[in-house]
Amino acid sequence: GENVEQHPSTLSVQEGDSAVIKCTYSDSASNYFPWYKQELGKRPQLIIDIRSNVGEKKDQRIAVTLNKTAKHFSLHITETQPEDSAVYFCAASIAGNTPLVFGKGTRLSVIA
Amino acid sequence: DVKVTQSSRYLVKRTGEKVFLECVQDMDHENMFWYRQDPGLGLRLIYFSYDVKMKEKGDIPEGYSVSREKKERFSLILESASTNQTSMYLCASSGFTDTIYFGEGSWLTVV
Repeated sequence: GENVEQHPSTLSVQEGDSAVIKCTYSDSASNYFPWYKQELGKRPQLIIDIRSNVGEKKDQRIAVTLNKTAKHFSLHITETQPEDSAVYFCAASIAGNTPLVFGKGTRLSVIA
Repeated sequence: DVKVTQSSRYLVKRTGEKVFLECVQDMDHENMFWYRQDPGLGLRLIYFSYDVKMKEKGDIPEGYSVSREKKERFSLILESASTNQTSMYLCASSGFTDTIYFGEGSWLTVV
């Protein structure tokens, strides 16, 4: 089955700096890669996703890149703000076929 | 707006008790999931269901069972609760897109 590794487990950045979280997956058939943000005491919520037919996707300050050959994908947050502080989870699946398998999460702290 | 409701937010149960965690979604989603969240271990899939009456084991099904008698409702059952099942349990659902929507979570403490 699919296995998703996520690094780093914790990340601290200064406000305004960029943050990068990386994930690798094992199943070359996986084609759907979402990222979820979980604020303290709240449910995880989708912030961005990417499918295997594209290499990069942006939404304002966040972007995700995908390298299918290397089987890794990354979340990039630019101009970080204190409200970006949360736990971020990457995940992978075969769209419409298998459930999402999640990484172990990255706790991002943005220091004002 | 998709709503996934977990009726019990905080529970304290004794070892050996039978525990029911209820989840209801209001978006007519076909797919429903139960995940367990533990610090440092991320979100691990316990069971999932792609249709009424259907269930599939996830990565950590031992000690759990599920029931899906109606499309909107997916229940997680701990037949005999143990202390190592103290955790947060997240229900989720998805429809024809691949996005899954989580409930608020149920914090279970087994003493």
